[in-house]
Amino acid sequence: AQSVTQLGSHVSVSEGALVLLRCNYSSSVPPYLFWYVQYPNQGLQLLLKYTSAATLVKGINGFEAEFKKSETSFHLTKPSAHMRDAAEYFCAVSGPGYNKLIFGAGTRLAVHP
Amino acid sequence: GAGVSQSPSNKVTEKGKDVELRCDPISGHTALYWYRQRLGQGLEFLIYFQGNSAPDKSGLPSDRFSAERTGESVSTLTIQRTQQEDSAVYLCASSLGLAGELAKNIQYFGAGTRLSVL
Repeated sequence: AQSVTQLGSHVSVSEGALVLLRCNYSSSVPPYLFWYVQYPNQGLQLLLKYTSAATLVKGINGFEAEFKKSETSFHLTKPSAHMRDAAEYFCAVSGPGYNKLIFGAGTRLAVHP
Repeated sequence: GAGVSQSPSNKVTEKGKDVELRCDPISGHTALYWYRQRLGQGLEFLIYFQGNSAPDKSGLPSDRFSAERTGESVSTLTIQRTQQEDSAVYLCASSLGLAGELAKNIQYFGAGTRLSVL
């Protein structure tokens, strides 16, 4: 069985500050892990994914995430927030042979001047 | 088309009515997925298609929900006798290759259909 927990349904940061969005997973098989972003009235867009290669994954828009097996975590970070980063972020898990993504509840990121 | 297209973008219906939600995947994508997103919650898997077949319907909440896909293209999600708890955003996604190879086959999402059942 697989599951995802995103700590913090809302995160607020100042423009230029570090962004840290937390994701912990549970999986009975080696996981594939994903971060998606959803801007208002738009579909989800893939930010980055981990599929058992390098544990530090770089994605679009300056985001990156680190897979830590010992902590069962895949936290998303960005060194310096921009106003345009305000959106909802979803962490998801899958695995070899799995045909669907299991999503977390999402974290809404607000960026203020 | 350039992306996954869903229609209508918004649907308001009365309790007990049937609704049909449409998804046009990216051309050539063999796998198609339906998810439901309730307010303040994550996405909930409903069903996926490989070609026109639906090997996994495990996420459909009840027998009021059904889906079909034709021509390895358009898919329709039908909800019969809608209930207020069906109110949600219904998202469709498609991927190029086999659904079981999500390491290689990125899911591309549509903007969703927002369903409101009064």
